[in-house]
Amino acid sequence: QVTLRESGPALVKPTETLTLTCSFSGFSLSAGGMCVSWIRQPPGKALEWLALIDWADDKSYNASLKTRLTISKDTSKNQVVLTMTNMDPVDTATYYCARSFYMDVWGEGTTVTVSS
Amino acid sequence: QLTLTQSPSASASLGASVRLTCTLSIGHSNYAIAWHQQQPGKGPRFLMKVNNGGSHNRGDGIPDRFSGSSSGTERYLTISSLQSEDEADYYCQTWDIGIPIFGGGTKLTVL
Repeated sequence: QVTLRESGPALVKPTETLTLTCSFSGFSLSAGGMCVSWIRQPPGKALEWLALIDWADDKSYNASLKTRLTISKDTSKNQVVLTMTNMDPVDTATYYCARSFYMDVWGEGTTVTVSS
Repeated sequence: QLTLTQSPSASASLGASVRLTCTLSIGHSNYAIAWHQQQPGKGPRFLMKVNNGGSHNRGDGIPDRFSGSSSGTERYLTISSLQSEDEADYYCQTWDIGIPIFGGGTKLTVL
């Protein structure tokens, strides 16, 4: 059974750096063609893709957020980590991780509020 | 630039069928897409992949009331025998040069 679970702080202050972890099981990020994405959804708004890392350690970022995002993986721990710098209240959202280019399995999401 | 366009809203009656449309930008008619469902207060769930030829592959546990099809730059999600739990937001998604792209979503109301 494939599962993904997001974890991280529920509250961050403006200008702080957010670090989120996606812990997964049931598949290997070393397998050819595999990838994990981070996606967010502000309250009442649509899904927004943030970043992706694949089996070859290639990384892609949302162009509008690229300077603030870093994605990495720890294959031995089955984890993908996303950092987002200089957090702002507009970054308040639920953050999801999902498997594969088709996003065929999603985590339940973790809600992050940016407030002083 | 590859974009996906969805109508913001749709509605249909309980027990009826509804077809949702996701339109690929011109010149991208050969792209497959995925459909995702997001019920109120929940996270998204993968429904299926729809290929440019119209074939579809449903996710695990997705009932066959959900089907996909394709015509030109349009990709469809048809839901038959609508149930109250089908009231949700539906997003189409594809990728281009390794970059995932989402449509704006369609909010389906079951009357």
